[in-house]
Amino acid sequence: GNSVTQMEGPVTLSEEAFLTINCTYTATGYPSLFWYVQYPGEGLQLLLKATKADDKGSNKGFEATYRKETTSFHLEKGSVQVSDSAVYFCALIPWMDSSYKLIFGSGTRLLVRP
Amino acid sequence: EPEVTQTPSHQVTQMGQEVILRCVPISNHLYFYWYRQILGQKVEFLVSFYNNEISEKSEIFDDQFSVERPDGSNFTLKIRSTKLEASAMYFCASRKDRDQPQHFGDGTRLSIL
Repeated sequence: GNSVTQMEGPVTLSEEAFLTINCTYTATGYPSLFWYVQYPGEGLQLLLKATKADDKGSNKGFEATYRKETTSFHLEKGSVQVSDSAVYFCALIPWMDSSYKLIFGSGTRLLVRP
Repeated sequence: EPEVTQTPSHQVTQMGQEVILRCVPISNHLYFYWYRQILGQKVEFLVSFYNNEISEKSEIFDDQFSVERPDGSNFTLKIRSTKLEASAMYFCASRKDRDQPQHFGDGTRLSIL
C-alpha cells in the first residue's frame, strides 16, 4: 500500500543552521509529493510540492527534490529562523487516485532556538 | 486570501452523544475532505466528497460517521453515539479542481468524556 515515513522529532536547531528533514515513501507508479507545515494553533498549510520525478519544489527558502530512485522527498533549508518552528508533514497523493486524498507521514516537530 | 473555516475550535461531548463538526470550504471549491489526527499520531484520511456524494471513504469511516453538504456553503461531519476513541483533531479541507492543492481549516479538537 501507500505510505510515508518521516524522521522522528523533535529536531532542535540554532538559528541560521542548515535543516534537513528526511521523508521516504512507498507507492506504486508516480505519486505527487507534498510538504505541509502546521504552526502552533493553526491548520495545515501547503509548503511545497512536486508532481514528477526530479522536480524540485521550493517556497520560503525551503526545497525538496522528488527522487524516484531512492523514493525520497527530503526537506531542506539553508538557514532556519525562529519563525520556522512548527510541525512539518510529508505527504503523497497516490498515482491515479480518483479522490486525490492525501496520505501523511507522522510529522516532524522543528524547534529553532535564537 | 480565502480560508477554510471550522467551528467550533474545541468540542467537548459525553460518550454516546451525537456531535456535528462544521466546515465552510472556500466558496468556489468543488472537492471536500475530512481528516483526523489522534493525539501523537498521523493525520488520517476519512472521507472525500464531490458532486453531493461521497467519492471515497477510508476504513475508519464506518457507520458511526456521516457527511453532508446541507446548503451551498457548509460541509458537516456527524459522529453518532461517540466513543472515547473518537477523541482527536478533525480537519476539513477543500480544493478547487484536480490540479489544485487542498486547503485546510484550523481543525476542531473533539474531546469525548
